[in-house]
Amino acid sequence: DVQLVESGGGLVQPGGSLKLSCAASGFTFSGSAMHWVRQASGKGLEWVGRIRSKENHYATAYAASVKGRFTISRDDSKNTAYLQMNSLKTEDTALYYCARGSGSLGTDAWGQGTLVTVSS
Amino acid sequence: QSVLTQPPSASGTPGQRVTIYCSGSNSNIGSGYVYWYQHLPGTAPKLLIYRNNQRPSGVPDRFSASKSGTSASLAISGLRSEDEADYYCAVWDDSLGGRVFGGGTKLTVL
Repeated sequence: DVQLVESGGGLVQPGGSLKLSCAASGFTFSGSAMHWVRQASGKGLEWVGRIRSKENHYATAYAASVKGRFTISRDDSKNTAYLQMNSLKTEDTALYYCARGSGSLGTDAWGQGTLVTVSS
Repeated sequence: QSVLTQPPSASGTPGQRVTIYCSGSNSNIGSGYVYWYQHLPGTAPKLLIYRNNQRPSGVPDRFSASKSGTSASLAISGLRSEDEADYYCAVWDDSLGGRVFGGGTKLTVL
């Protein structure tokens, strides 16, 4: 079965950093794009960014709200994707999901999320 | 404020048909595939529709979708209580260079 498990969430002060992990199993991780999506309490889903596969040159793309502060990376040997979050703001407080991107088939598998709280 | 516009709420009674709309522009819906997700907050979102109108394996045929120009719609027929959830459209936006979600529609089954 396809499984995605996020970890690394927690409480961090404004201006701080946090690195989230997304451990994947049950599919060929190296051939898949990986997305990060977040949901603040009471708000809708917001796409954060994605990293494509090695075949697609590990190309990354980010939402304007996080560009320059967040970095997505991956380690195919560990079947894990990462979201490095720097210069965190209170508005980054959200439940962060990772999801598998399957090209035109969409983001068809999602983790349960990890909670990030940015507060002093 | 999302570049994809959805009504914040929709409702129906069991057995009814409900349609949720998603309005965009030439740089997103007008030029790419539309995806629909079902989501209960705090749980993993579920892909309902891909490539405008295709259902993944396991999604009931009560769910259907279409796209025309810069708008898309998701229809749910034979409404059931378990359909009560938030529904989001999503598409790649060429101008923004990233994926965007609609604001979401909260479906209530009365």
